[in-house]
Amino acid sequence: DAGVTQSPTHLIKTRGQHVTLRCSPISGHKSVSWYQQVLGQGPQFIFQYYEKEERGRGNFPDRFSARQFPNYSSELNVNALLLGDSALYLCASSLVGRGTEAFFGQGTRLTVV
Amino acid sequence: AQKVTQAQTEISVVEKEDVTLDCVYETRDTTYYLFWYKQPPSGELVFLIRRNSFDEQNEISGRYSWNFQKSTSSFNFTITASQVVDSAVYFCALSDGGATNKLIFGTGTLLAVQP
Repeated sequence: DAGVTQSPTHLIKTRGQHVTLRCSPISGHKSVSWYQQVLGQGPQFIFQYYEKEERGRGNFPDRFSARQFPNYSSELNVNALLLGDSALYLCASSLVGRGTEAFFGQGTRLTVV
Repeated sequence: AQKVTQAQTEISVVEKEDVTLDCVYETRDTTYYLFWYKQPPSGELVFLIRRNSFDEQNEISGRYSWNFQKSTSSFNFTITASQVVDSAVYFCALSDGGATNKLIFGTGTLLAVQP
């Protein structure tokens, strides 16, 4: 079975631009979460989506948005990119339920110049 | 507030040595979940184990073992007879299992196993 897949794997953008990152969850997983991992730090929670609705949001500005599609895939959008947005963006999928384990994709490495 | 502390930033061992990675957590919840993930250089976080707050049994899986002690709020991870392939960053994480299943990660421990 395919794991969580993310695209693209690497991306270079200029300050002020917009970026869209994509994620396909493991088949049968209806919950998708996004995390930002700055170099040398642990991942930070950005969003969680379930059944196309936002179920949780971390401490990130409104420039960050996301959505989930009927097939449970998801997009993360970031507007007006800043240098500080440079990071590894990780998508995770999980089954629904308390404390279920999250399975992560390989991430998208975003560099803002 | 929930918090996870991994005080060891980097650990270097020689192959076949045993190594323990420490994890201390803070939470006011009575129900919570603890996790360990491995992040190799490729970047993908690999799930290793989940433990809920009501199950303090230690677990062993091959060369890996985990020691969960609620009295000290610790969930330590031991690798026995380490191998070069164990080299990676290891993260401990905490979830309250609420509506979002949001994971709170520690800052990670970089383990380098030398041949």
